[in-house]
Amino acid sequence: DGGITQSPKYLFRKEGQNVTLSCEQNLNHDAMYWYRQDPGQGLRLIYYSQIVNDFQKGDIAEGYSVSREKKESFPLTVTSAQKNPTAFYLCASSSGLVETEAFFGQGTRLTVV
Amino acid sequence: AQSVSQHNHHVILSEAASLELGCNYSYGGTVNLFWYVQYPGQHLQLLLKYFSGDPLVKGIKGFEAEFIKSKFSFNLRKPSVQWSDTAEYFCAVNAAYGGATNKLIFGTGTLLAVQP
Repeated sequence: DGGITQSPKYLFRKEGQNVTLSCEQNLNHDAMYWYRQDPGQGLRLIYYSQIVNDFQKGDIAEGYSVSREKKESFPLTVTSAQKNPTAFYLCASSSGLVETEAFFGQGTRLTVV
Repeated sequence: AQSVSQHNHHVILSEAASLELGCNYSYGGTVNLFWYVQYPGQHLQLLLKYFSGDPLVKGIKGFEAEFIKSKFSFNLRKPSVQWSDTAEYFCAVNAAYGGATNKLIFGTGTLLAVQP
């Protein structure tokens, strides 16, 4: 069954701890994305990657880091430098052709206490 | 910088009413435009997209959108909404060249509530 898998669905962490969110796709897509969704603010782009071993900062990259060592995987680390990490995080992928749509995972809700 | 604005944050309609959701983007180059929908508890999914050709595009579930280049707009329409259209709608733009290629940017979303 092809798609994008984000894990876990819910994540709780203590303030000051780094946490890594997983995103795996088996669609053979080149491009992958991480977004943060907050009420009233839509989806804000954190990082994106057009190809393996390459990634670019989005509009709100501060306090986050990513890696793209494998085509199918694009993990996101929320570091202690992120001032307001509690949010809903969405991962997406696309073929890499600009006219094609992105496919989304089910999301991870991160709560920092 | 590339950006997308959606004018309506909350829209409440009765069933059978017509719908138009506004979307404007700011980017001077060639763009590809999308509308996505997020039904309660579900993944974001594509409603329709425009990348070239006829500026009036049709999507799933009776939705359509018109690309007006001179107005940098891509408004979403549906002649008659149903209760099942209750969802959050997002406009998105993807640049077609340069360093911003594949930088898929979303608007702030419009929450539509359809009353039976």
